[in-house]
Amino acid sequence: QVQLVQSGSELKKPGASVKVSCKASGYTFTSSAVNWVRQAPGQGLEWMGWINTNTGNPTYAQGFTGRFVFSLDTSVSTAYLQISSLKVEDTAVYYCAISTTGTTQFDYWGQGTLVTVSS
Amino acid sequence: SYELTQPPSVSVSPGQTARITCSGDALAKQYAYWYQQKPGQAPVLVIYKDSERPSGIPERFSGSSSGTTVTLTVSGVQAEDEADYYCQSADSSDSVLFGGGTKLTVL
Repeated sequence: QVQLVQSGSELKKPGASVKVSCKASGYTFTSSAVNWVRQAPGQGLEWMGWINTNTGNPTYAQGFTGRFVFSLDTSVSTAYLQISSLKVEDTAVYYCAISTTGTTQFDYWGQGTLVTVSS
Repeated sequence: SYELTQPPSVSVSPGQTARITCSGDALAKQYAYWYQQKPGQAPVLVIYKDSERPSGIPERFSGSSSGTTVTLTVSGVQAEDEADYYCQSADSSDSVLFGGGTKLTVL
């Protein structure tokens, strides 16, 4: 069965960097793009963008350029989200999600990774 | 820019029907998807392509579309349906849009 397993919670200080992983199993990793979604505490879902798992080409949504980097290691079927120069307002749960139909529906989600930024 | 608008909250008694709307210009040309999210859990797809139900989702969940508004209907609401519900679509450049979410409270 399809599974997306994310790395554990992180506590970081402002200005530091964090790298969140999303390990896929149960399907061919390169057959589905990986999307990233942010959810700040008590807030709604916010799409951050996606990465093409065939080419490695990332697409970032407005508001997620500059400090946010999507990457892949196809040898271990894993996608990564790196955030640099962390700010307190980056505190959120970050989800990876995929569509198995080639559309923008998200059939499968990771369990989420809580990133807390606090001094 | 495109936006999707949902009511912040909907409340119903058990056994009644809950209707959650989502409005936005993008919905006139793009499909809508609905997710259920319970506290501390990842979202779960409950409706795709406006009105299709994934396998494993109870029949009491249904979706409909009319112009720039889509509606998620939960018939015979049960206590376990209490959750946040998000609509999702895409704009003309395939950028994903989420609605602000609706908290369904079962009284």
